[in-house]
Amino acid sequence: DAKTTQPNSMESNEEEPVHLPCNHSTISGTDYIHWYRQLPSQGPEYVIHGLTSNVNNRMASLAIAEDRKSSTLILHRATLRDAAVYYCILRDRNTGNQFYFGTGTSLTVIP
Amino acid sequence: DARVTQTPRHKVTEMGQEVTMRCQPILGHNTVFWYRQTMMQGLELLAYFRNRAPLDDSGMPKDRFSAEMPDATLATLKIQPSEPRDSAVYFCASGLIGTSGTEAFFGQGTRLTVV
Repeated sequence: DAKTTQPNSMESNEEEPVHLPCNHSTISGTDYIHWYRQLPSQGPEYVIHGLTSNVNNRMASLAIAEDRKSSTLILHRATLRDAAVYYCILRDRNTGNQFYFGTGTSLTVIP
Repeated sequence: DARVTQTPRHKVTEMGQEVTMRCQPILGHNTVFWYRQTMMQGLELLAYFRNRAPLDDSGMPKDRFSAEMPDATLATLKIQPSEPRDSAVYFCASGLIGTSGTEAFFGQGTRLTVV
């Protein structure tokens, strides 16, 4: 499975936008980009996923670079409840039933 | 509100004892995953099932771990005998996984402590 690289930690002020980057330079044409987050003492939860086009949902937006070698998860207004570890994961649409988690980015939201 | 249910939430056991963790996936989901999380290793995929058939258990220590799905409403992860290094949080997840890349829903986890 192709690997992803994320910063270990990031900080954001409350109510400001947050841009969480992910590099996946070895992504293949059949890999979906998934984002999950894990709140303290919880299991991971789905945030968003995409293939080529930018995606929006009620939680976040996903911006995918034209060459697909990187992506950015955008939280439009960070709240204290968004403090979590955010994982960027690649999953092969043809063969990959699995979700392999990397180390993720620990997001701290400052009141 | 459908959710993945894991029992027990916490388990403390002595080294050498058998441990069984249970998971009730969301009804209708075709894929069940078992993950283990530790501070050192992060989230590791242990095994997963598709339509109750084991597809990949390469992440599991085969000599002591076993995973089964006796029916569509129950997945189990057993450790026998347990060792202190098995102390971790074990997560079960289920999903209706297909080529469109749909999401996995995680349970709250079982925190296992082996003393």
